Amino acid sequence: DAGITQSPRHKVTETGTPVTLRCHQTENHRYMYWYRQDPGHGLRLIHYSYGVKDTDKGEVSDGYSVSRSKTEDFLLTLESATSSQTSVYFCAIKGGETSGGTDTQYFGPGTRLTVL
Amino acid sequence: AQSVTQLGSHVSVSEGALVLLRCNYSSSVPPYLFWYVQYPNQGLQLLLKYTSAATLVKGINGFEAEFKKSETSFHLTKPSAHMSDAAEYFCAVVSGGGADGLTFGKGTHLIIQP
Repeated sequence: DAGITQSPRHKVTETGTPVTLRCHQTENHRYMYWYRQDPGHGLRLIHYSYGVKDTDKGEVSDGYSVSRSKTEDFLLTLESATSSQTSVYFCAIKGGETSGGTDTQYFGPGTRLTVL
Repeated sequence: AQSVTQLGSHVSVSEGALVLLRCNYSSSVPPYLFWYVQYPNQGLQLLLKYTSAATLVKGINGFEAEFKKSETSFHLTKPSAHMSDAAEYFCAVVSGGGADGLTFGKGTHLIIQP
């Protein structure tokens, strides 16, 4: 257990509404990530953070924004949700304080989002 | 950019039989490779990882994987399948972008027949 929680765990919303998902960690890790999981696609990186206020885009960032004002929290926002954003969203943290590729990423339990 | 391909979206084996899940990578630099397992309605759990220290990597729950540069492969094996191994398995490689984000394969659903 890497001390990662995600909230909410389930959410149903309507097209056009804003949605914010929260990832919270208790172990002060520098690196945090948001992925989405869709059948037939595996997991795809949306955004990542390498420190407070330091974020960057991943593979599928269109329609999403993120913020990290505290080490422990990484927020994912859908400004205007669309049905194509119906997915399971996973937060991850990476052990280690530098990039280099060998540190393991640990995943949260996921948030299932349905956009009607 | 680095990528991985998992052959077979579904693999079915009998309990007690060999499990073989295939993963091939594409990378212009020595890759860092991971296998994760996902049980229904749960997050991903690390099975094992390759970090160039040894080509044969042993993981949890009796799984192991062998890195073969000549074949650009990192297949996952287990000598004897157990019913509890039924799950989704993902191969992943560290992406070429910043902060070591992972690029995942599409996953293989392992079915264990009694």
